[in-house]
Amino acid sequence: GAGVSQTPSNKVTEKGKYVELRCDPISGHTALYWYRQSLGQGPEFLIYFQGTGAADDSGLPNDRFFAVRPEGSVSTLKIQRTERGDSAVYLCASSLRREGAGDTQYFGPGTRLTVL
Amino acid sequence: DQQVKQNSPSLSVQEGRISILNCDYTNSMFDYFLWYKKYPAEGPTFLISISSIKDKNEDGRFTVFLNKSAKHLSLHIVPSQPGDSAVYFCAARASNAGNMLTFGGGTRLMVKP
Repeated sequence: GAGVSQTPSNKVTEKGKYVELRCDPISGHTALYWYRQSLGQGPEFLIYFQGTGAADDSGLPNDRFFAVRPEGSVSTLKIQRTERGDSAVYLCASSLRREGAGDTQYFGPGTRLTVL
Repeated sequence: DQQVKQNSPSLSVQEGRISILNCDYTNSMFDYFLWYKKYPAEGPTFLISISSIKDKNEDGRFTVFLNKSAKHLSLHIVPSQPGDSAVYFCAARASNAGNMLTFGGGTRLMVKP
């Protein structure tokens, strides 16, 4: 079946602009996650959705970052007033979120954001 | 403070030999561990996982070992193949502290023909 998809694959923007990054999870996966990967580092957690609600947004770096998942499927990560330090690969993952069992997160290809 | 560490940024192995990638963690609440493989310009691909109730899990050429007392896990690939050349990330999760994964910094494996 189809995996996690993310659009756009690349986004170049200017400092101060607003960007939206989109994630389509695997069909049937109730849990959706956003991570950010900077060059030479491992992915860092940003936010986790269970259904439509943000169950854990403790990884969002500041209030310029916001994410929504209005219908419990597609999610959009929104970044306001972008800064050069926001440049990174933004990864989305989804999982079945089975309680009491190992829960594997499956990742999309990522969106590479470059802020000039 | 890094809770998951991969101390070897790179590893070079001859084709056919064993590759051993190591990972250390500090959070004793972690109870589920995963290894992901990442090729350039792609997202991480799930490889193998292990629950803290086990000390070994095997899937074909890949075996993960967990030593809870040492807070250490390792991934063994045998025999190594050139197509295994990629960056490998270990990740950990604490079930009672949300579902987020905490990743190590990655190890770049190069398998030479």
